[in-house]
Amino acid sequence: AQKVTQAQTEISVVEKEDVTLDCVYETRDTTYYLFWYKQPPSGELVFLIRRNSFDEQNEISGRYSWNFQKSTSSFNFTITASQVVDSAVYFCALSEEFNGNQFYFGTGTSLTVIP
Amino acid sequence: SQTIHQWPATLVQPVGSPLSLECTVEGTSNPNLYWYRQAAGRGLQLLFYSVGIGQISSEVPQNLSASRPQDRQFILSSKKLLLSDSGFYLCAWSVEVGRPTNEKLFFGSGTQLSVL
Repeated sequence: AQKVTQAQTEISVVEKEDVTLDCVYETRDTTYYLFWYKQPPSGELVFLIRRNSFDEQNEISGRYSWNFQKSTSSFNFTITASQVVDSAVYFCALSEEFNGNQFYFGTGTSLTVIP
Repeated sequence: SQTIHQWPATLVQPVGSPLSLECTVEGTSNPNLYWYRQAAGRGLQLLFYSVGIGQISSEVPQNLSASRPQDRQFILSSKKLLLSDSGFYLCAWSVEVGRPTNEKLFFGSGTQLSVL
């Protein structure tokens, strides 16, 4: 079974629009960690955020914000006032407490910001 | 500071030829090391990971193999490449921060492999 689901394969928005990337995860562990990575056209994955399962506070970093809801097993990522440089593939990932050496990635969401 | 080096950046190989991709990490000791493959569909598939020298866990049975001859060196190999081995290969490392809990993955710049 897929542990991390990113249902949105591709999204296109016009510059300055807000966009939310969805991530749904599945785990039986009570302690786990969720991640978001950005993969620009250059190919290297860039770490954006790590959140543990006991911290449900939403986080904001500049134009980026993350909404973690355990009740719906979701960890969504919102970009406010999108810019062309935000165009990339974004991956959500999960690491579980008792199998912490493995990172499970979603299939990614390709975001295109149109100028 | 820690850095990860992965090479080559691009590789074109004929079917049936051998493969060797190398990854080295600097600035840390005893890292966990990973090989991922990203096929045309963009998803990241974990191929191998290693928690120590000589310790390799394989996630997907296939004609690829991995070795860790030194603490910070991880090599991905194949004796005979298949067309289906084409893809973008990413090496990554992490450090355990308690029990088998890893802080995060740090990725290399990747190798684009085309098997013709």
